[in-house]
Amino acid sequence: RKEVEQDPGPFNVPEGATVAFNCTYSNSASQSFFWYRQDCRKEPKLLMSVYSSGNEDGRFTAQLNRASQYISLLIRDSKLSDSATYLCVVNLNTDKLIFGTGTRLQVFP
Amino acid sequence: DGGITQSPKYLFRKEGQNVTLSCEQNLNHDAMYWYRQDPGQGLRLIYYSQIVNDFQKGDIAEGYSVSREKKESFPLTVTSAQKNPTAFYLCASSTHQGDTEAFFGQGTRLTVV
Repeated sequence: RKEVEQDPGPFNVPEGATVAFNCTYSNSASQSFFWYRQDCRKEPKLLMSVYSSGNEDGRFTAQLNRASQYISLLIRDSKLSDSATYLCVVNLNTDKLIFGTGTRLQVFP
Repeated sequence: DGGITQSPKYLFRKEGQNVTLSCEQNLNHDAMYWYRQDPGQGLRLIYYSQIVNDFQKGDIAEGYSVSREKKESFPLTVTSAQKNPTAFYLCASSTHQGDTEAFFGQGTRLTVV
């Protein structure tokens, strides 16, 4: 089983739609969780950290479920500019960052 | 401005040659990482270092080597033993505690000709 797994997509959604991505992780000792966004041929950039209590940043909501070992990202009111690949990242307490393979989102007019 | 810098942005190498990719950070981060990304694929960990003079192999270390002589620098050498080196290489750094984000350089696109 991979340490971090994501549905690769692509998710093709119209503008204004709500879309959700899930990411599962295998190591229950994982300490920190993040969602990154990567545009084509660019470096990944932090979208948001994921806290145990869940957190929201504008149209984006992240949730963590430790019991089931998954994190989720919800995007409301999708914009064309949201089109990108979304990477799930898990940080073990040994400082080893583990990236998922990413989920590609394409928002169309 | 603090950040992480990779150079060069584009690199061409002849088969059989070693090549070194530079990664420098002035964020005072203890941990540094090298990832490889192939078209349409996710990031795969090559090597990582948590402290100066120490580093560990990642999932695809064969054909690569690194050094960590200074906290700020973590160069990656792609050796001739790497059978398929053409890829996008990303360097990242984070705090030792590991509970904060990782910062990435802009990447080096290596092409073997």
